[in-house]
Amino acid sequence: QSALTQPPSVSGSPGQSVTISCTGTSSDVGGYNLVSWYQQPPGTAPKLMIYEVSNRPSGVPDRFSGSKSGNTASLTISGLQAEDEADYYCSAYTSITTWVFGGGTKLTVL
Amino acid sequence: EVQLVESGGGLVQPGGSLRLSCAASGFTFSTYWMHWVRQAPGKGLVWVSRINSDGRRTSYADSVKGRFTISRDNAKNTLYLQMNSLRAEDTAEYYCAGVVAVPSGLDVWGQGTTVTVSS
Repeated sequence: QSALTQPPSVSGSPGQSVTISCTGTSSDVGGYNLVSWYQQPPGTAPKLMIYEVSNRPSGVPDRFSGSKSGNTASLTISGLQAEDEADYYCSAYTSITTWVFGGGTKLTVL
Repeated sequence: EVQLVESGGGLVQPGGSLRLSCAASGFTFSTYWMHWVRQAPGKGLVWVSRINSDGRRTSYADSVKGRFTISRDNAKNTLYLQMNSLRAEDTAEYYCAGVVAVPSGLDVWGQGTTVTVSS
């Protein structure tokens, strides 16, 4: 149950787009379309932003989008805003009926 | 309002036990899968355990298997995590979370309860 691999940090200026990658294996990210993304501002509980690779829950802005290619999933945030600054985590279902999170990526809005 | 409220955290010595509770309200608790997720201070999220809607199917992260037990009481709308043989590395904020309004993914989260394992 190794954690999924995410870049420790990404940054972008307001209005720009950023992409956060999440790399796993064929036993998790690549094996199922059950990848989720979470946003966690400091001191708060996580919030679901994307489920099943590319679906947005009600209320999540369409600036947030998800995709997957092989064993790597990606979260793209377009039209970056100051309030997007947070930690982002990916998560995936695994072949042994468990779930695994990525190590997290700190997004800084310059 | 859909809400999860954890309780039961605290300071415990290594080797000790603790039971966390998570009270659900605002939705039909008995219908949904529930999870526990933890976060050590300054670290990332780590999935701990999950349980299906009727409590008959469970799964655990390797790091807690054999020491932690997830359960639920649907009559009381409450999720539990019994933690035994606690270690220093179990020190974390523990969140309960549910798959409620979406097919997968944890869309409802509690505010967390803090567990500190130290002598």
